Amino acid sequence: ETGVTQTPRHLVMGMTNKKSLKCEQHLGHNAMYWYKQSAKKPLELMFVYNFKEQTENNSVPSRFSPECPNSSHLFLHLHTLQPEDSALYLCASSQQGAYSVITDTQYFGPGTRLTVL
Amino acid sequence: RKEVEQDPGPFNVPEGATVAFNCTYSNSASQSFFWYRQDCRKEPKLLMSVYSSGNEDGRFTAQLNRASQYISLLIRDSKLSDSATYLCVVNPRKGGGADGLTFGKGTHLIIQP
Repeated sequence: ETGVTQTPRHLVMGMTNKKSLKCEQHLGHNAMYWYKQSAKKPLELMFVYNFKEQTENNSVPSRFSPECPNSSHLFLHLHTLQPEDSALYLCASSQQGAYSVITDTQYFGPGTRLTVL
Repeated sequence: RKEVEQDPGPFNVPEGATVAFNCTYSNSASQSFFWYRQDCRKEPKLLMSVYSSGNEDGRFTAQLNRASQYISLLIRDSKLSDSATYLCVVNPRKGGGADGLTFGKGTHLIIQP
């Protein structure tokens, strides 16, 4: 399945590094999301973009900086991360209608497994 | 109270048995509900949406009880391939448009031969 792709799949970085995660969706959707999945914790929403505009920042530290240049691409720029930021970072997309229940299903990419040393 | 609460399990179930999971949610304004399945070290994949009237997809049946704020998933004639973590997911519908989903921690199911 290649509806939502993420690169890289694995990333190891030091606390002083700067890196970026990339997500691309090929589904024609208008909304994209970043989630974080840490061990033994539920998936946590980080950011929401709707028609390229950020509509939600779920109290995410500024060392995570999202960018959405168009409806198909989403980036997560990382700098001066902490070891506790090690997790699986998942991108998702959906086709949003204001009150449409059926079409707001979110489809996930395979994730980037991040390790911060 | 956690926003979406599930029994983490694991549920060890013999092949062919019927197994049921429940989930409770705290936000009474929530508008849409889902079950996702997540295999080890993979991304979550939609199993089924959950509607007030209840819905069935093959061996899987989902129910929603808005009054009690719980969601259930029933798996009949379980297969070895059903072994996975089942995530209860709620869309809080804060204001229309795109909303992030709220996930439970998941219920781990192991089907034994």
